[in-house]
Amino acid sequence: QQPVQSPQAVILREGEDAVINCSSSKALYSVHWYRQKHGEAPVFLMILLKGGEQKGHEKISASFNEKKQQSSLYLTASQLSYSGTYFCGTVISNFGNEKLTFGTGTRLTIIP
Amino acid sequence: GAGVSQSPRYKVTKRGQDVALRCDPISGHVSLYWYRQALGQGPEFLTYFNYEAQQDKSGLPNDRFSAERPEGSISTLTIQRTEQRDSAMYRCASSLEHNEKLFFGSGTQLSVL
Repeated sequence: QQPVQSPQAVILREGEDAVINCSSSKALYSVHWYRQKHGEAPVFLMILLKGGEQKGHEKISASFNEKKQQSSLYLTASQLSYSGTYFCGTVISNFGNEKLTFGTGTRLTIIP
Repeated sequence: GAGVSQSPRYKVTKRGQDVALRCDPISGHVSLYWYRQALGQGPEFLTYFNYEAQQDKSGLPNDRFSAERPEGSISTLTIQRTEQRDSAMYRCASSLEHNEKLFFGSGTQLSVL
């Protein structure tokens, strides 16, 4: 039930773009994205609710395709500060007490 | 408080001892979560509370693990008769409401020798 992320790791030069994918085997109600820098706690980026919306600000955005049960995170013109491990988290239903389940993670390294 | 506070930051214990990990969530946050995170892995759900009620404890590995949040604020995760496999980073998070933006604490790094 853990969502699967791809790629597992990616190395980019500053200014390049990246796409991180998150796939679930179950239908989803919402997808969360977090970034975790080495030795720190995960930090919230955004939540997407089912409806196919795309969210984001400036150079970090995400889409949610409920039909395909997947979400993608887009990082445009990457900066050194974008380095870290990105986790998606999925919630399969808005009913009851469904928990947020985190994915396998994608390690992003930005080099100058 | 300004953020989610966890204590202790590090805990080293001997196998067989009991440990209690504390979490002080952001004031006013209804939901409180406990996760466990192995190095390089995503946070693994353990349990969560809305106010003082434990809503889901399906992620607790076995009956040596328990959690409480008696007054709907501070929470304690207790591990009895610790084993080496319990060694991990234990993270607490809170949110205004269930499954909204989670604020994570710095975690407690538990080492069982």
